[in-house]
Amino acid sequence: QVQLVQSGAEVKKPGASVKVSCKPRGYTFTDYYIHWVRQAPGQGLEWMGRINPDSGDTNYARKFQGRVTMNTDTSGSTAYLDLSRLSSDDTGVYFCARGGISDCDYWGQGTLVTVSS
Amino acid sequence: DIQMTQSPSSLSASVGDRVTITCRASQSVGIFLNWYQQKPGKAPNLLIYGASSLQTGVPSRFSGSGSGTDFTLTISTLEREDFATYYCQQSYSTLWTFGRGTRVELK
Repeated sequence: QVQLVQSGAEVKKPGASVKVSCKPRGYTFTDYYIHWVRQAPGQGLEWMGRINPDSGDTNYARKFQGRVTMNTDTSGSTAYLDLSRLSSDDTGVYFCARGGISDCDYWGQGTLVTVSS
Repeated sequence: DIQMTQSPSSLSASVGDRVTITCRASQSVGIFLNWYQQKPGKAPNLLIYGASSLQTGVPSRFSGSGSGTDFTLTISTLEREDFATYYCQQSYSTLWTFGRGTRVELK
């Protein structure tokens, strides 16, 4: 059964960086994209970008370019989201999701990132 | 970037009602349009992909239609577990985008 297990909640200070992990289970890691989606408190879903675990190719939403890095550890079958220069606007829940051809069919449980001084 | 506009932003309905949510893209997305349901504190759940294909395990009271720029999600007979927020999402562009969501509340 497909599952994506994310790392635990994080509290960071403004200006710091955060790294969130996502470990899929139940399928071949390199067969599907991993997408990252953010949700600020009480707000909607915001697509951040995706990575092809097979090639390492990435696509980032314009809003996050220069501040986001997505990578994978294929030996450990884990995907990572790195977001730098955090501000209070980055507070929210970060989801990873398995990307099919054109949709996200399985999602992680979400990781709460709180940015506060 | 392709902008996705959902309407209404919220609606009140009763169990048994027929509910329709619309999504409009700022440019044609073909049928690369998906619908997700999200309940508070939970991850989104894929309902409809390719504008009109029902994801495995999703009840048949959910249906999707449309192509190009205008799309619709319909819940034929609203059940209690359907009170949630619904999002459309385009995957036509390399850079995906979501609509801002439609909250379906109990009247």
